Formats: sequence, structure tokens, C-alpha cells
Amino acid sequence: KQEVTQIPAALSVPEGENLVLNCSFTDSAIYNLQWFRQDPGKGLTSLLLIQSSQREQTSGRLNASLDKSSGRSTLYIAASQPGDSATYLCAVRANSGYALNFGKGTSLLVTP
Amino acid sequence: DTGVSQDPRHKITKRGQNVTFRCDPISEHNRLYWYRQTLGQGPEFLTYFQNEAQLEKSRLLSDRFSAERPKGSFSTLEIQRTEQGDSAMYLCASSSLTGEDGELFFGEGSRLTVL
Repeated sequence: KQEVTQIPAALSVPEGENLVLNCSFTDSAIYNLQWFRQDPGKGLTSLLLIQSSQREQTSGRLNASLDKSSGRSTLYIAASQPGDSATYLCAVRANSGYALNFGKGTSLLVTP
Repeated sequence: DTGVSQDPRHKITKRGQNVTFRCDPISEHNRLYWYRQTLGQGPEFLTYFQNEAQLEKSRLLSDRFSAERPKGSFSTLEIQRTEQGDSAMYLCASSSLTGEDGELFFGEGSRLTVL
């Protein structure tokens, strides 16, 4: 069974810092990996999708990388803002099946 | 495009009652998913539909749970004889077979509290 781990579980940074969120997965036979953002009590917002053949994806201040062989992905957030405060979830879809396997998330707080 | 819509947003029920949640996916998305999320955890997969066919079900989906997508558009998730352990956020997501393959778009969720 695919296990997805996110480190750290929680992170607090001052506004303006660059930061890295980590995601690791146990089975490298993945179809794609997706990063989401979740605000308290809300649904998930898709941030970036990386196909298994890709190494990274970028959207604005966000950059996600994928190293399938080592079972790792990182989400880089540049010049963090208080509005970035949320829980960030990493999810992996295996080559077989349609389910996304999620990590428990990293809770990010950006202080003014 | 109005996004994935879920109803009701909140449901409080007594143990033993039946509840039903509805999900309207993004129009023309033929893939639909149900997930369940408890506090402090990531979402857990429940079931997947491609058009009206239910192609994958998790072992989490006990016989008290049933999901349908009768015309390949909206979907319902019914929980019979609710238990306190069913209290969670039920999330629906949709994606398209064409376009950006596999990107899931989630609704705001339906929060269930079983007393």
C-alpha cells in the first residue's frame, strides 16, 4: 500500500521567507502527484499537478519538483505571504487504480 | 464553469439515521470521486465513477455506504444506520478524461456530525 508522508507537520515562518515543504512516498510506480491547499473547514484547491514523466511544475510563486526514483517531491513557496497560511497536502496516484493517496499535510502559518 | 458543488454543506444527525449527500461535478467531467476526511488527516479514497459506472471502491466503503451516479452527471452518497465514527467531512471531486489528465478538482465538502 502506498504510504505518503509529509514533513514537517507544521511550520511557522515570517512573511517574505522562502520555504520548502516535503513529501515522500513508498512506491515509485506512480501515475502523477498533485499538491493541494486546504483552508480550515474548506475543500481542497489544486495547486500543481506533476505527471510521472515530468521533473517539475511551476505556477507563480510555487514550484513543485518530483524525483520518482527516490520517492520524493518538494513544494517550494517563494516570498511567502500571510495569505499563504493553510494546510498543504501532497497526493499520489499509483499506476494501477484511480485513487489518490494523501499525506496528512503540512500546516503553514505565515506571520506578518 | 461553477466548480464542484456539494449539498448539504453541514448535516447533524442522530445515530442510526440515514443520510444522503449530493455532488454535482464540473460540467462535462466524466470522472467523479468520493473521499472522506477526519480532523488532522488527509482525505481517504472511498469510490470512483467513470460516467455512470462505479469502477473502484475502497474497503473503507462498508455495506452501510452506497454511492450512485445514475445518469453519469450528479452523484449521491448514502450512509445507512449512521454511527458516531462516520462523523467526518465527505469530499467530492471530479476530473476530465481529456485535457490535463488526472487533475482533480474538489468541492467544499459536506460535514457530517453524528450524535
